[in-house]
Amino acid sequence: SQTIHQWPATLVQPVGSPLSLECTVEGTSNPNLYWYRQAAGRGLQLLFYSVGIGQISSEVPQNLSASRPQDRQFILSSKKLLLSDSGFYLCAWSRGLNYGYTFGSGTRLTVV
Amino acid sequence: GENVEQHPSTLSVQEGDSAVIKCTYSDSASNYFPWYKQELGKGPQLIIDIRSNVGEKKDQRIAVTLNKTAKHFSLHITETQPEDSAVYFCAASKVLTGGGNKLTFGTGTQLKVEL
Repeated sequence: SQTIHQWPATLVQPVGSPLSLECTVEGTSNPNLYWYRQAAGRGLQLLFYSVGIGQISSEVPQNLSASRPQDRQFILSSKKLLLSDSGFYLCAWSRGLNYGYTFGSGTRLTVV
Repeated sequence: GENVEQHPSTLSVQEGDSAVIKCTYSDSASNYFPWYKQELGKGPQLIIDIRSNVGEKKDQRIAVTLNKTAKHFSLHITETQPEDSAVYFCAASKVLTGGGNKLTFGTGTQLKVEL
């Protein structure tokens, strides 16, 4: 069966520090991968998506970037965190068009 | 782009009663509509979905209806139980130009089932 791993679960980082969140999927190949941010327990906003290795599309211009160095690995990064980057970050995968997403357990990021 | 509206934002029901959550979408190209349940501190979990060629789908106590003409879809939970308490999200799916599909989510409904 397919599983998705996301870490860390919680992270507290100072303003101006770098960020790296990692997500990996097991049990499938060539998944579509997504990064979402959720504010205040609601409002899931799509940040990045990827349909293949090295293919990254951004939905919202921001202080973040994403990379997909391997088929089942998706990384969210920032060179310098802002206070406004705080939130709950969710990685998700799907097997293709018109399939639901399976979400990871999320990372609670607090920028102080 | 797609816009998904969800109502109500909070819903309180007595155990055993039914709960209904409604969503509308704007883009007629959307053709897949999943519903997610999110418990506190966890990622959303898919509970049921419906595709545009189907008007209704049922899975035990949960059902979803879709009216493509009116661009609205609804989640129905019957015989609610305390463990149904959570935030529920509707979503509408559209094909992305680069491949894959994008889910646009509603703003969520906090369902509370009271004893």
